[in-house]
Amino acid sequence: EDQVTQSPEALRLQEGESSSLNCSYTVSGLRGLFWYRQDPGKGPEFLFTLYSAGEEKEKERLKATLTKKESFLHITAPKPEDSATYLCAVREGNKLTFGGGTRVLVKP
Amino acid sequence: DTGVSQDPRHKITKRGQNVTFRCDPISEHNRLYWYRQTLGQGPEFLTYFQNEAQLEKSRLLSDRFSAERPKGSFSTLEIQRTEQGDSAMYLCASSLVEGGREAFFGQGTRLTVV
Repeated sequence: EDQVTQSPEALRLQEGESSSLNCSYTVSGLRGLFWYRQDPGKGPEFLFTLYSAGEEKEKERLKATLTKKESFLHITAPKPEDSATYLCAVREGNKLTFGGGTRVLVKP
Repeated sequence: DTGVSQDPRHKITKRGQNVTFRCDPISEHNRLYWYRQTLGQGPEFLTYFQNEAQLEKSRLLSDRFSAERPKGSFSTLEIQRTEQGDSAMYLCASSLVEGGREAFFGQGTRLTVV
């Protein structure tokens, strides 16, 4: 069974302090790694899909990268509005298996 | 169509009562998924439909849970004889079969069993 582990569980940043979130996975044949953002009390919001090692995708201050065993979500010069829980997931058959998420708090 | 819609957003029920949630997916999406999320955890897969056919169910889905998608459009998730352990956020998502298969989630239904 696929496993997804995210670290750290929580991250406190000052505004402008760049950092990276880690998502490590074990899967037999990756068919997509997904990043989502989730605000409190709301559903996950789709950010990126990565399919192969070396692939990178960017959106505003976020950049996702993928290796054969892990993915990183880099947050560059974060703003308070980037505060959220960031979830990664791998596609296992026809469903997504999620990690536990990283709660990010960006203080002004 | 602005996205996946779930109703109600919040539900408080007494233990032992039955509850039903509704999900309206993005209109052109033929796959519909149900997930459950407890506080501090990532979503856990419950079941999915392709059109009106329920193709997979998780071991988490006990006999008290039933899901339907009668005409391949909206879906309902019913929980019978609710227990306190059923308290969670119930999330619905939809996707296309082809292409990137990104799943887009609704805002969820927060169930509290008292």
